Amino acid sequence: ETGVTQTPRHLVMGMTNKKSLKCEQHLGHNAMYWYKQSAKKPLELMFVYNFKEQTENNSVPSRFSPECPNSSHLFLHLHTLQPEDSALYLCASSAEGTIGFNNEQFFGPGTRLTVL
Amino acid sequence: GNSVTQMEGPVTLSEEAFLTINCTYTATGYPSLFWYVQYPGEGLQLLLKATKADDKGSNKGFEATYRKETTSFHLEKGSVQVSDSAVYFCALSDQKAGTALIFGKGTTLSVSS
Repeated sequence: ETGVTQTPRHLVMGMTNKKSLKCEQHLGHNAMYWYKQSAKKPLELMFVYNFKEQTENNSVPSRFSPECPNSSHLFLHLHTLQPEDSALYLCASSAEGTIGFNNEQFFGPGTRLTVL
Repeated sequence: GNSVTQMEGPVTLSEEAFLTINCTYTATGYPSLFWYVQYPGEGLQLLLKATKADDKGSNKGFEATYRKETTSFHLEKGSVQVSDSAVYFCALSDQKAGTALIFGKGTTLSVSS
């Protein structure tokens, strides 16, 4: 138990559906992250939020839309996904200052997404 | 830019064998270095870390020493167990670069009894 929870743990959706992934951290951290982990590919950083402000968006397609309403919650809204978007989506959090990132991240268990 | 290079896997060992997983890095500043482990069906967990040159991180029998002269942070364990089978990720964070953790591609370890 890392203090970071993700729901749902598994999700199957069609290409025309709209769904959302939820991440919650109980660690008092101010930075939160979304990663995509596909089979046989490196871990891909998607989005970074620090103090609720988005600080990184690594060329992620617009069919993925993040939302960070407060420092404890992070959402990933999904719409019109493609089968190649099937992957494990990991959320993480860390305690950072305002001048940069230096600390270890705590990961949730991930959401296994399958797009049909 | 900053980067992390890990040895390609998979690594297959018998129980009680010695383990080394190589990791080298490129960084502009003075990074902190980490090893994460991912067990099947789970997220990543921090295994150990080192924040400055010559520091040794250790946990659960695993060790890694921050070597600035060789820009390396190799993971070692003297006697692996079947329960160590997992994917291991080397990572760095460089506060001066202002970016989040940079991960290596991961090395899969499989230990048989």
